[in-house]
Amino acid sequence: QAVVTQEPSLTVSPGGTVTLTCASSTGAVTSGHFAYWFQQKPGQAPRTLIYETNNKHSWTPARMSGSLIGGKAALTLSGAQLEDEADYYCLLSYSGAWVFGGGTKLTVL
Amino acid sequence: QVQLQESGPGLVKPSETLSLTCTVSHNSISRVYWNWIRQSPGKGLEWIGYIYDSGNTNYNPSLRSRVTISLATSKNQFSLNLSSVTVADTAVYYCARAGVGLPVAWGQGTLVTVSS
Repeated sequence: QAVVTQEPSLTVSPGGTVTLTCASSTGAVTSGHFAYWFQQKPGQAPRTLIYETNNKHSWTPARMSGSLIGGKAALTLSGAQLEDEADYYCLLSYSGAWVFGGGTKLTVL
Repeated sequence: QVQLQESGPGLVKPSETLSLTCTVSHNSISRVYWNWIRQSPGKGLEWIGYIYDSGNTNYNPSLRSRVTISLATSKNQFSLNLSSVTVADTAVYYCARAGVGLPVAWGQGTLVTVSS
């Protein structure tokens, strides 16, 4: 089974920019992996921010965007706000089988 | 907008079968995947498996021998059975809807504790 790797933790200053990445043990992440990004705050269910690499949910802030960078899926936050402090999980699809990354704890400080 | 709600026992004894149901409302889309996902306390998300509208299933290889997901379309529900549970199966269990061109829609989650 593939392993999906994320940065365990990242810190960004308010107003700053940070990029979270999602790597696959099988090689480069492509559009065929239908990358998803989820945000989870303590005590809450995850919510979808990005689906199929770069599509935003209706509630996804404009400052968040998804892409493929250097063979990885990426979530970029431009102009971070205190409310963005949360755990972020990526998800890759391998011919229908899902594999989650271990999550990135984002601190806004 | 689609809504999903998990239900089932919050406490299951070791070696028994965990059974949960997800009730779906306001879903007007076909050709979707109905998923179960879990999160152990303080840990990350783990995909359990899905059932497609056609009834085809796909399970996490690490759980495949113990998992059954079924669909009851007439009741707008789908279910999870996880057999021979141990304390390692203690987790918040989420149901979720996915599909091509769709964001994943999540239920609120339900905590299941495995303990004697």
